[in-house]
This record gives sequence, C-alpha cells and structure tokens, in this order.
Amino acid sequence: GAGVSQTPSNKVTEKGKYVELRCDPISGHTALYWYRQSLGQGPEFLIYFQGTGAADDSGLPNDRFFAVRPEGSVSTLKIQRTERGDSAVYLCASSPQTGARSGELFFGEGSRLTVL
Amino acid sequence: LAKTTQPISMDSYEGQEVNITCSHNNIATNDYITWYQQFPSQGPRFIIQGYKTKVTNEVASLFIPADRKSSTLSLPRVSLSDTAVYYCLVGVFTGGGNKLTFGTGTQLKVEL
Repeated sequence: GAGVSQTPSNKVTEKGKYVELRCDPISGHTALYWYRQSLGQGPEFLIYFQGTGAADDSGLPNDRFFAVRPEGSVSTLKIQRTERGDSAVYLCASSPQTGARSGELFFGEGSRLTVL
Repeated sequence: LAKTTQPISMDSYEGQEVNITCSHNNIATNDYITWYQQFPSQGPRFIIQGYKTKVTNEVASLFIPADRKSSTLSLPRVSLSDTAVYYCLVGVFTGGGNKLTFGTGTQLKVEL
C-alpha cells in the first residue's frame, strides 16, 4: 500500500494476556519506529529499527515489551502479561532515513489497545 | 535531546495567520527542528523541517532565529480543518540512534 499499515486497528484484551501488534511500513523505508500515545499526551518513543536490528530500544518500558523486524520490513510489537496501564494507542512510523528531510516520519493510524 | 516548550493551546479564526512558538534552549549544533500535525485518531503528519533562518513550503513557514533557541511555525490563513495538535521536535535526524521525542504539543482550535 501507499502508507504505513497497522493491524489490528482496535484490540481489546484481558489483563495478563499476550498481544501482538503488526506494522507494515512503506516499501523501501529502512527506519521503523514504534511509539505509544496515551490520551492527551504526545507520542512516547518505544523502539527504533534500522533495517532488521533494533538500533535503540531504550524506550521500551520493561521486559514485557518486545519488538522484532526479522526481514527489515514488517515489524511486530509484542506485549506479554498485559496490564491495564498498557492501554494506549500504539503508533508505528517509517522513514527513508536519507536526504535532508530524513526527519520526516510517516505514521500509521495506530492500534488502539484496551486492557480490561 | 533538546527539551521543547510549547503553549498548551491556541484559539484562532478562519482566515487568520497563526504563529506557534517552540522554545528549545539547549538545542545542539547538529539538531534539526521539525513540526508535526496530528488529528484525532490519526498518526502525526510531517509539516515542515528546518535548521536555520526560514523555510517555506506549500502549507507553512518555519522561522528560526540566529541563536536557534526557539522556532515559530506560521500557518497562513487557517481554516477549520487546521484544528489539530501541533508538535515541535528537536533532534538529530541523520544516521542511526535517532530518538524523536514528542512533547505535549499545542492544541490549535480554529473557529468561524
């Protein structure tokens, strides 16, 4: 597709369950970012991939959160033993990471996670 | 990363020019300044990026003084559809190790 695609758009789960959120970036974009946004707040950085490797995962809140990007394209954010505080919109963005406008991130519409 | 400060909210009317200022006193030499717009239930969307002086594109202008400790996003002749949250980001956007941090943003409300 033309833009960043995220699935599911909405996910409701119960406390303690495992969740996977998928991001399909724009074709050819080498950089991929995950953010988390709570109501009324700006997006909070979680992790950044350059190709297949996590170049910066310092934003992951704890070891229940993990993300992969095995082939340098699609990425999956995995949350184990979900807690109510994990409820938020999870945003994915990609970037070509080249040129003067390398700071231009292309965001998906997000996956809204609700933990009951 | 440079910490940014923006007004929490601004109100305007259709057809007016809106200027949103961002303070970033500890901006580093290699940092760029980037602005994003976000509508409800959507991801942020890139508006404009600059390093110094003035940058203009089809939707906005970005004014950066010589000391680069602040920047002003200028939206000419706003319309109702410009009602959104605007974020100022400051950081290095080259190579690896980027951590683009958003602040709380400025909620712009445009009325008739």
